Amino acid sequence: AQSVSQHNHHVILSEAASLELGCNYSYGGTVNLFWYVQYPGQHLQLLLKYFSGDPLVKGIKGFEAEFIKSKFSFNLRKPSVQWSDTAEYFCAVITGGGNKLTFGTGTQLKVEL
Amino acid sequence: DTAVSQTPKYLVTQMGNDKSIKCEQNLGHDTMYWYKQDSKKFLKIMFSYNNKELIINETVPNRFSPKSPDKAHLNLHINSLELGDSAVYFCASSQATGRPAGELFFGEGSRLTVL
Repeated sequence: AQSVSQHNHHVILSEAASLELGCNYSYGGTVNLFWYVQYPGQHLQLLLKYFSGDPLVKGIKGFEAEFIKSKFSFNLRKPSVQWSDTAEYFCAVITGGGNKLTFGTGTQLKVEL
Repeated sequence: DTAVSQTPKYLVTQMGNDKSIKCEQNLGHDTMYWYKQDSKKFLKIMFSYNNKELIINETVPNRFSPKSPDKAHLNLHINSLELGDSAVYFCASSQATGRPAGELFFGEGSRLTVL
């Protein structure tokens, strides 16, 4: 079965700092990869997704992620964070042909003014 | 219009009671899910239905029983509530047929507190 690990549990940054959140998955076959965001008190929303093609994917609000197959990684990046990016970020994976989306444990990002 | 709507948003109840959470999606999706988010924000899938058929049933106590009267609705009934059932329950939907898997649309969550 696939699994997802997010190594950073809590991240605190100042506004305008650059962000990189780590995500690694364990599965040897084809995967679809996702980052979801949960703003305080709200539901999860899709930030970006990778199915195939260009390993660098761009999402909403200036976020991007790079799929590195050899490292089983799908790290999330943003060059300059804003206070409004304060949220919980979840990496998720589903195997090709599978029907179960598995989430990582989440990274809580706090952006300070 | 809310795409995936859950009711109630908040539920406070005593141990031993039975409660239900309802979910409806108006996206025309064929698959619906229940996820449980615990106090540490960990999200774990509980059930999934595709066109009213149960396709995922994780290791969940028998006290939890999902019901899907049609593909737009997926309800969750919980019997004999326990303290450990306190969590936020998220309903989600996706279009499993004809699209890449995994893009889920979530409801706003139902926060269940068992006293």
